[in-house]
Amino acid sequence: ETGVTQSPTHLIKTRGQQVTLRCSSQSGHNTVSWYQQALGQGPQFIFQYYREEENGRGNFPPRFSGLQFPNYSSELNVNALELDDSALYLCASSPSLAGGPGLNIQYFGAGTRLSVL
Amino acid sequence: KNEVEQSPQNLTAQEGEFITINCSYSVGISALHWLQQHPGGGIVSLFMLSSGKKKHGRLIATINIQEKHSSLHITASHPRDSAVYICAVSSNYQLIWGAGTKLIIKP
Repeated sequence: ETGVTQSPTHLIKTRGQQVTLRCSSQSGHNTVSWYQQALGQGPQFIFQYYREEENGRGNFPPRFSGLQFPNYSSELNVNALELDDSALYLCASSPSLAGGPGLNIQYFGAGTRLSVL
Repeated sequence: KNEVEQSPQNLTAQEGEFITINCSYSVGISALHWLQQHPGGGIVSLFMLSSGKKKHGRLIATINIQEKHSSLHITASHPRDSAVYICAVSSNYQLIWGAGTKLIIKP
């Protein structure tokens, strides 16, 4: 148990719809990162939030957006879903920001598996 | 060519064997991570290192910055070690992931 919880665990959407995924970070962690993991591939960094501000973004289009709330929980929103958005979406929290994503041990949630039909 | 390459892609071994998983990278890094992913998606961070060697229980991680290479070793492997092991590097404020090594330990 990492203390990071994601919801829902599974989700099925159709092309063109919008989806919101949620992540509750471990207590005391103020940094949340989101990753997309397609089947058979390693995770790809989407973006990171630190104290409610986006801090670092990977090569994802603007239809991928996020929010971090005062309690440091976070949402990932994806608009205009495409078939290729089908993947496992992972959220990870870490205790502090030290120069960017990946410079602290990150604690991962179990992920949300999104299927776009 | 991927910026982070792992080998082997798949590894099957008998319980008790010494396991080595390799990771090579082509970018400048500030840290390298080894992570373990179990079926169903759960990821656990095993090590974060920027030089030398770290040990935790039966797991040992080493890194050679000059050669841009890291290894993860498992001593006295056990079926519960079966998982995907992922190498990821911190580079230019991004975390770049390898494709993972699927390890199966047979009893």
